[in-house]
Amino acid sequence: ETGVTQTPRHLVMGMTNKKSLKCEQHLGHNAMYWYKQSAKKPLELMFVYSLEERVENNSVPSRFSPECPNSSHLFLHLHTLQPEDSALYLCASSQARGRRTDTQYFGPGTRLTVL
Amino acid sequence: AQSVTQPDIHITVSEGASLELRCNYSYGATPYLFWYVQSPGQGLQLLLKYFSGDTLVQGIKGFEAEFKRSQSSFNLRKPSVHWSDAAEYFCAVGDRLTGGGNKLTFGTGTQLKVEL
Repeated sequence: ETGVTQTPRHLVMGMTNKKSLKCEQHLGHNAMYWYKQSAKKPLELMFVYSLEERVENNSVPSRFSPECPNSSHLFLHLHTLQPEDSALYLCASSQARGRRTDTQYFGPGTRLTVL
Repeated sequence: AQSVTQPDIHITVSEGASLELRCNYSYGATPYLFWYVQSPGQGLQLLLKYFSGDTLVQGIKGFEAEFKRSQSSFNLRKPSVHWSDAAEYFCAVGDRLTGGGNKLTFGTGTQLKVEL
């Protein structure tokens, strides 16, 4: 595997379900990101982990819970979601040198549908 | 706070024609700028980036972009569009995060349609 991978690629869940999205990066990076992409809205940064510590949390509802067990893996745990949470969830990774030039590389995304 | 504006939501060009996608940014210091492309159902692929130096940067797939500080612009160009270029294009400006990594602020994207 190369680059950034995400599983599953598609997920349909009910509002009472609990599911998790997984992201894995094979680039030797140590910063990882979750974005939400909804129709007709700009990409929204949700969470940032740098060296396995959360460094950004953009006022995301608590029904989204991130986990970064090591620098190569990132999870997004989902519970009691709402239909408006249906979106494409993108994972990205970069170096974590604290520079604006740290370039982010994206995975293919998980298309989430909440019924 | 930084912001990015992509004034064109949709653009249609004929295959073989030239292309220019507009991007205007607002940032207090020297901006670090990126263009990404997203094909349907896919993630974002980095096309090119500008950090410093030559204001005309070359990217993958024959794309280039020119940084114009006086106009706060970073427009993406391609001299001859191929049908496979049909996708959505995003401009972004980067800012550092204190704890490491950076924060990208994206524009709303431009959807490119290519007519054969």
